[in-house]
This record gives sequence, C-alpha cells and structure tokens, in this order.
Amino acid sequence: SAVISQKPSRDICQRGTSLTIQCQVDSQVTMMFWYRQQPGQSLTLIATANQGSEATYESGFVIDKFPISRPNLTFSTLTVSNMSPEDSSIYLCSVTGVNTEAFFGQGTRLTVV
Amino acid sequence: DQQVKQNSPSLSVQEGRISILNCDYTNSMFDYFLWYKKYPAEGPTFLISISSIKDKNEDGRFTVFLNKSAKHLSLHIVPSQPGDSAVYFCAASASSGGSNYKLTFGKGTLLTVNP
Repeated sequence: SAVISQKPSRDICQRGTSLTIQCQVDSQVTMMFWYRQQPGQSLTLIATANQGSEATYESGFVIDKFPISRPNLTFSTLTVSNMSPEDSSIYLCSVTGVNTEAFFGQGTRLTVV
Repeated sequence: DQQVKQNSPSLSVQEGRISILNCDYTNSMFDYFLWYKKYPAEGPTFLISISSIKDKNEDGRFTVFLNKSAKHLSLHIVPSQPGDSAVYFCAASASSGGSNYKLTFGKGTLLTVNP
C-alpha cells in the first residue's frame, strides 16, 4: 500500500479566497485522484490527475473552480478557488492499488466562513 | 441519484457479537465492490473487496457477501471489537469503459461496538 501525506490537515478560510491542498505519495504512481466529502454525504470523485497532462474532471466539477497540478509522479495539488461556505468539506487525495482498491490520504478538513 | 446506498446511518452492537453492514446498488455495470473503514480525522482505509464473479470473500474477522440478483452486499464482522468502531463505506466500480478506477461510494454507516 502507498503512504499518502496531505497538507494542510485542516483550515478555516474566508469566503472569496483560495486554498491549495498538497498531496505527496511515497512511490511513483500514474494516476492520482481527488475526492470531496461534504457533510453527511458520500465521497465524490472530483478529478483524476495524470502526470504530464491536464486533469480529467467529473460531471459537476470544473477546472476554474478546482485547478489541479501534477508536476511529477509523486505529487499533486488541488486548489479550491473563490471559496463559498458550500465548499466546506473534507478533501481527499488517493491513489489506486494493484486491484483497483484506493488508498487515501488523511484528508483536509476545510471550513469556509 | 445515488447508485450506492447504505440505508442504515448507524449501527450499535455488543463486543463479541456479529456486526452486519448492508449496502445496495442500482448500477448493473458495477462488478467490483469494496469496503472501507474511516476513523475521525483519518482518511478511509481499505478493508476488503469482492469481484462479481464471487459471492463471498473472507479475510480474518471480515467477510463480504455479494448477492448480484438482489444488487446487495453485506460486510460481516465476527467477533466485533471496540476498535472496530468507525464509519464504514461501501464502494463500487465498473471495469468496462476503461474507468475501473472510478469508485462510487455510499454515505457510510457509523458502527459502534460497545464493550
């Protein structure tokens, strides 16, 4: 299994600002994934980040709101832009194991006030 | 439209007894199912999975049962221990279309195991 580190673990931000979340993996991986878990809801895939190409976004998520970088095979960032209280969620980075099982970072708990 | 449903938000059992966590799905393209455990302030941890070609998979105290005709799966924990207290997520993926890495999650069930 991969070891995934996310920073920050939590933050409280003012509406209208942006927050960049970092994800570091201890091994090289082709695909990295960003999920969101809104309060009381399931985990929802935001986008898939491949090294050397633009991220692929799921329905309902757009690059302008959630820009993603993937500069190398062990690192990715997700930015939550122009935040509103509705963006208050847990954001999770993950990578895929051999058998499709996903391994997750500890998550970033974001509160927008 | 929730494709993976965990209809019980919470479950409480006594230590040593069996915990049964249920999950239903609607998408007939799903052919791989996973269970995750999540403690507060931590990310979800993979527990056990099952392919649609099987109806049972066992790993120590954890067993997952799959009933494809009913589109239902369950996770059995025997015997339950206080350390099992966590939120359990059911997830599913479809291998066709080259998107087998996409997991669809349920909302989770909070399991409390009482000493």
